[in-house]
Amino acid sequence: DTGVSQNPRHKITKRGQNVTFRCDPISEHNRLYWYRQTLGQGPEFLTYFQNEAQLEKSRLLSDRFSAERPKGSFSTLEIQRTEQGDSAMYLCASSHSTSGTFGGEQFFGPGTRLTVL
Amino acid sequence: GQNIDQPTEMTATEGAIVQINCTYQTSGFNGLFWYQQHAGEAPTFLSYNVLDGLEEKGRFSSFLSRSKGYSYLLLKELQMKDSASYLCAVRDGLASNTGKLIFGQGTTLQVKP
Repeated sequence: DTGVSQNPRHKITKRGQNVTFRCDPISEHNRLYWYRQTLGQGPEFLTYFQNEAQLEKSRLLSDRFSAERPKGSFSTLEIQRTEQGDSAMYLCASSHSTSGTFGGEQFFGPGTRLTVL
Repeated sequence: GQNIDQPTEMTATEGAIVQINCTYQTSGFNGLFWYQQHAGEAPTFLSYNVLDGLEEKGRFSSFLSRSKGYSYLLLKELQMKDSASYLCAVRDGLASNTGKLIFGQGTTLQVKP
């Protein structure tokens, strides 16, 4: 399967602990996005990478959140000192550059469901 | 500001046609996407509009009016497996051109026998 993969699929942690999620995008995609989705809501944008460069971070992303994409391939999202409000589904998506034409549809991974107790 | 509105829930009968509306007010625009999301699963791409008009793709069609900030997704010959959440998303068209998607809250469609 050459789709977007995410690990782990589920994570339960205690408040105050650090967690790290991994995303492996579709191999030829240079754009990678992280979104967060809570129950009954649509995904909210968190951050964006083009190759290894992190080009945008949402104002929703507090200093406890950090993301990397060290070689322009897989990406990690770390949450430090987790809070109960961080409980959500964390989705990763990848795409080609849009280059001003149609294309660049985002393909989503299955997500990591985080529960903070 | 960024605002995308769609109905929270809809119910329809198997075999029927349903139209899910979406209105948007965003600071930039570079296309509108519809995604389907089954409970506990990832969103999957359904359709894309960047120019005004209707795009048809099998049982699914999507319409866009940029001047009205309006789109709809039309589902024909409904099947039970179409029960899912349908997400309307606008692609950011600002100078940064990140391509990030701004999503509505989603419309939960329940198809009944």
